[in-house]
Amino acid sequence: DQQVKQNSPSLSVQEGRISILNCDYTNSMFDYFLWYKKYPAEGPTFLISISSIKDKNEDGRFTVFLNKSAKHLSLHIVPSQPGDSAVYFCAATTESGQLTFGSGTQLTVLP
Amino acid sequence: SAVISQKPSRDICQRGTSLTIQCQVDSQVTMMFWYRQQPGQSLTLIATANQGSEATYESGFVIDKFPISRPNLTFSTLTVSNMSPEDSSIYLCSLGVAGVGEQFFGPGTRLTVL
Repeated sequence: DQQVKQNSPSLSVQEGRISILNCDYTNSMFDYFLWYKKYPAEGPTFLISISSIKDKNEDGRFTVFLNKSAKHLSLHIVPSQPGDSAVYFCAATTESGQLTFGSGTQLTVLP
Repeated sequence: SAVISQKPSRDICQRGTSLTIQCQVDSQVTMMFWYRQQPGQSLTLIATANQGSEATYESGFVIDKFPISRPNLTFSTLTVSNMSPEDSSIYLCSLGVAGVGEQFFGPGTRLTVL
C-alpha cells in the first residue's frame, strides 16, 4: 500500500522552462511534506518542505504547492537548469518524524 | 548542518555472508534512521536507531536480519546478515532533529550481493 505516490517516473523539460513534479498521498495524518533531490551515487538532499497548514512555500526557483482536499502536492522549478537534472523524491511525515517516500521522478533538463 | 559519513561506500559480497555499515555524524543528534533503496525503487525505512536501546523496526524488517547498534549520539551501525542477492540495495543512514521535519542523509552504501 503506497501512501505516497509519484506517478511519473520521468520528466523531460527544456532549459529555462518550468518543471512541474507531482505527488499524491493517501494518509490524512501526514502533516509535513518534503521534496528531496538525489544525484547518482549520493544521498538525497533536502530541497524544500511545506506544512499542512500552508498551501504554498517558495524558495528561490523552487515552489511547493499543497492541495489538502485533493491530497496532492507539486514542486515547480522555474526556470529549469541542466543542473536540476536528478531524481526528485516526494516525502511525507506525521508527528512520529518518520518519512514515507514516493518512488521518485527522474527530471532531465535539456540544454 | 551536520556532516554525515558512511563506510563502506560500496561493497560486493558473497551470498550467506554479513556486512556491517557504519554511519558517523560530526555532531550529536537525537534521531538516526536507516533506509534501504532497492534498484529502481523508493527509499524504505528499515528502523529507527535508538541510542542505548534496541532499534525500532518497521514492518517487514527484523532484528535478526538487520541488527543495529547505536552506542552514542554520533555513531550507528547496520548489519545486513546472511545476505542474498535480494539484499542488493543502497543503504542510507539519516539524521533527524526533534521538532524539525527534515532529515539529512548520508552518502549511502551501495551493496551488491552475488
